[in-house]
Amino acid sequence: DAKTTQPPSMDCAEGRAANLPCNHSTISGNEYVYWYRQIHSQGPQYIIHGLKNNETNEMASLIITEDRKSSTLILPHATLRDTAVYYCIVSLRYAGNMLTFGGGTRLMVKP
Amino acid sequence: NAGVTQTPKFQVLKTGQSMTLQCAQDMNHEYMSWYRQDPGMGLRLIHYSVGAGITDQGEVPNGYNVSRSTTEDFPLRLLSAAPSQTSVYFCASSYSRGTDNEQFFGPGTRLTVL
Repeated sequence: DAKTTQPPSMDCAEGRAANLPCNHSTISGNEYVYWYRQIHSQGPQYIIHGLKNNETNEMASLIITEDRKSSTLILPHATLRDTAVYYCIVSLRYAGNMLTFGGGTRLMVKP
Repeated sequence: NAGVTQTPKFQVLKTGQSMTLQCAQDMNHEYMSWYRQDPGMGLRLIHYSVGAGITDQGEVPNGYNVSRSTTEDFPLRLLSAAPSQTSVYFCASSYSRGTDNEQFFGPGTRLTVL
């Protein structure tokens, strides 16, 4: 699996958009970009994933650059409950390809 | 559905003791896995299973055993606990091959080895 690089921490004001970057310059053609988050000490929670097109769901948007070497997770209106560690993971699509977690980005949403 | 459940929530062991961490899922997922998370670190894969009767090693398997006799259950056994195994243990499950790799995680077991 390709490795990812994320900033260790970021701050965001409540109600503003949170943009979390991720570099994955060695990603291969059949690998997807997945985002998970871990609130406090709970189990990680799936957010979104994509291959090359931008993706949006009820939680977030994922923007992947055309060369697929980097991506950005966007939380459009961050709330205090979005304070968490966010993990960007590159993995093959199908279940069974276990996830490799890096250090993630600790997002602090401030009032 | 209860999702992925783990027991116990907390456990304190003495060095050399053995124990089993329980994990169960009621979503009929074929894939299950165990991760450990040390303070301030990301999760690391210990063992995983792609179906009943099939298990394989992950990144940090030493000191742990697993078995998968049913689809629902995937227990993790610590053979002889060591202080280096003090960690938070997460179990996860996901759908079978052919669908997206969204994994569902349990709430974790916090283990301290003295």
